[in-house]
Amino acid sequence: EPEVTQTPSHQVTQMGQEVILRCVPISNHLYFYWYRQILGQKVEFLVSFYNNEISEKSEIFDDQFSVERPDGSNFTLKIRSTKLEDSAMYFCASTSGGARDTQYFGPGTRLTVL
Amino acid sequence: GESVGLHLPTLSVQEGDNSIINCAYSNSASDYFIWYKQESGKGPQFIIDIRSNMDKRQGQRVTVLLNKTVKHLSLQIAATQPGDSAVYFCAELETSGSRLTFGEGTQLTVNP
Repeated sequence: EPEVTQTPSHQVTQMGQEVILRCVPISNHLYFYWYRQILGQKVEFLVSFYNNEISEKSEIFDDQFSVERPDGSNFTLKIRSTKLEDSAMYFCASTSGGARDTQYFGPGTRLTVL
Repeated sequence: GESVGLHLPTLSVQEGDNSIINCAYSNSASDYFIWYKQESGKGPQFIIDIRSNMDKRQGQRVTVLLNKTVKHLSLQIAATQPGDSAVYFCAELETSGSRLTFGEGTQLTVNP
């Protein structure tokens, strides 16, 4: 069964450093999403992406965040200058037909900012 | 067993019992609802969804009920198994949006 993959599984960084979290969505999917989950809390929407542009973003997704689809398979989330409060699990998701199709989530990247 | 979402974030049942997990949503503009299961260290896994023009939808061992009048969603799991132990989240989607809004989650523990 096709699945969303994410790398790395765990990223440790120093405050102020840039990180790039990588995702490979399911191959025929066209809609891509990033969510985050702070330990013990609920999953929070960050951004949705379609046709090489952001469709919607949350209040969390400020100027420190950016997304990119650099090629036909990868979808990345960049945090330019990490803060302690960016420590969380970051999940990528994809669908074939928009938000009302089943969103398939990846296993997540645990980001730890020291 | 039955939980009331935010007030009882944990639910413990015996194997073979039926489980009911509840969720309250607040956005009247939401028209699509999904239940996700999240096992420890993994991403959310789709269980079942329902659109606002329906009151009930059944899957394999799971049923979702939607009461739009009181903005309430429930997930019923029949014959709960140890493998059902996980955190269960409801999520909602607005009519014109693409962002899923997740609820707080309920930890279901199935005792053998």
